Amino acid sequence: NAGVMQNPRHLVRRRGQEARLRCSPMKGHSHVYWYRQLPEEGLKFMVYLQKENIIDESGMPKERFSAEFPKEGPSILRIQQVVRGDSAAYFCASSPTPLPYEQYFGPGTRLTVT
Amino acid sequence: AQTVTQSQPEMSVQEAETVTLSCTYDTSESDYYLFWYKQPPSRQMILVIRQEAYKQQNATENRFSVNFQKAAKSFSLKISDSQLGDAAMYFCAYNQPGGSEKLVFGKGTKLTVNP
Repeated sequence: NAGVMQNPRHLVRRRGQEARLRCSPMKGHSHVYWYRQLPEEGLKFMVYLQKENIIDESGMPKERFSAEFPKEGPSILRIQQVVRGDSAAYFCASSPTPLPYEQYFGPGTRLTVT
Repeated sequence: AQTVTQSQPEMSVQEAETVTLSCTYDTSESDYYLFWYKQPPSRQMILVIRQEAYKQQNATENRFSVNFQKAAKSFSLKISDSQLGDAAMYFCAYNQPGGSEKLVFGKGTKLTVNP
């Protein structure tokens, strides 16, 4: 069973461009979580999705950020008009149930905004 | 809001020795989960050990064990017989069940293992 896959692993964007980060959960997992890790910081929760539904987006910035988890395909975290402060590592975790100890993390996408 | 504090930004230990990493948390709830995650240079997050708050017995996983003090809201990680491969960032995390199941992380402790 392949683990959680994230792509790209590294993404460079200029200020003002859009960034799209993809997360393919483990097979059979219908719960997806996105976390952001700023330099020298721990991971901060952004959003929790189930198939076709956003369950909790309390950690998402109000503007420029959006997330989706369609019925088919990977979960997408989209950042519009990126700024330097968006530079961070973005991690996705998936789980088969809404239980915290069953969250498996992907390797992360490192976004650099120049 | 729940918070998790790791007061040791960096720790070091000699190979084969024992080291303890500290973590405190703040919550008014009685039922919750606590975790320690390891993040090696590859940045992959790896679950090391977990503790359910309702369990009085401290969790153990091979060389890793915790000292869970519920009243003091303390959750330290002990690594015995440290190995070079244990060198990593270690994050303490909290979860409140029944909500969105999100994890709340501390800022981490960087562990260096000296040969």
